Amino acid sequence: AQKVTQAQTEISVVEKEDVTLDCVYETRDTTYYLFWYKQPPSGELVFLIRRNSFDEQNEISGRYSWNFQKSTSSFNFTITASQVVDSAVYFCALSTGNQFYFGTGTSLTVIP
Amino acid sequence: GAGVSQSPSNKVTEKGKDVELRCDPISGHTALYWYRQSLGQGLEFLIYFQGNSAPDKSGLPSDRFSAERTGGSVSTLTIQRTQQEDSAVYLCASSPIQNYNSPLHFGNGTRLTVT
Repeated sequence: AQKVTQAQTEISVVEKEDVTLDCVYETRDTTYYLFWYKQPPSGELVFLIRRNSFDEQNEISGRYSWNFQKSTSSFNFTITASQVVDSAVYFCALSTGNQFYFGTGTSLTVIP
Repeated sequence: GAGVSQSPSNKVTEKGKDVELRCDPISGHTALYWYRQSLGQGLEFLIYFQGNSAPDKSGLPSDRFSAERTGGSVSTLTIQRTQQEDSAVYLCASSPIQNYNSPLHFGNGTRLTVT
């Protein structure tokens, strides 16, 4: 069975702090993709990053970075020097075959 | 517009009434997905379309839910005899191809409230 777990339901940080959002996944497939999406208060989910199961190289994009570790089935997301605009719900997702499996999301609040 | 468009953005209906939710995917996107997001919950898969056909309807909660897609474009999700537990945000997403490495592009959703 495929499953994505985001154990952190809500996180609050003060602006400029770093914050890491955890994502743990389960799958028996050897080929799969992992995604992160951001859902700001406006409601529309915005695609942030995609990573395939054969590429464990970490990625950095500006203040965002992602750490993919197959050994622990984790795909964690770190925001450095957080800003108020980062306040949103963040979803991790796993894709295998024809399906996308989403976690329950982590609500991040950045306090000015 | 260039994005996925959903209408209406908000719908309030009385228990027992039927509702139709509409999704206009990005032009040329062959795959279309419906999800439901209840308050404080994650995304619950409902159904997906490849072209006009729906290979996977496993997520539809009951036979009161149905969906169709015509012309490989617009999709309609219909809920018959609505119940209060149907209250949620219904999200539509599309992708260029039915390929699990292709990210989904989401609309803003339809917020359904059943009174």
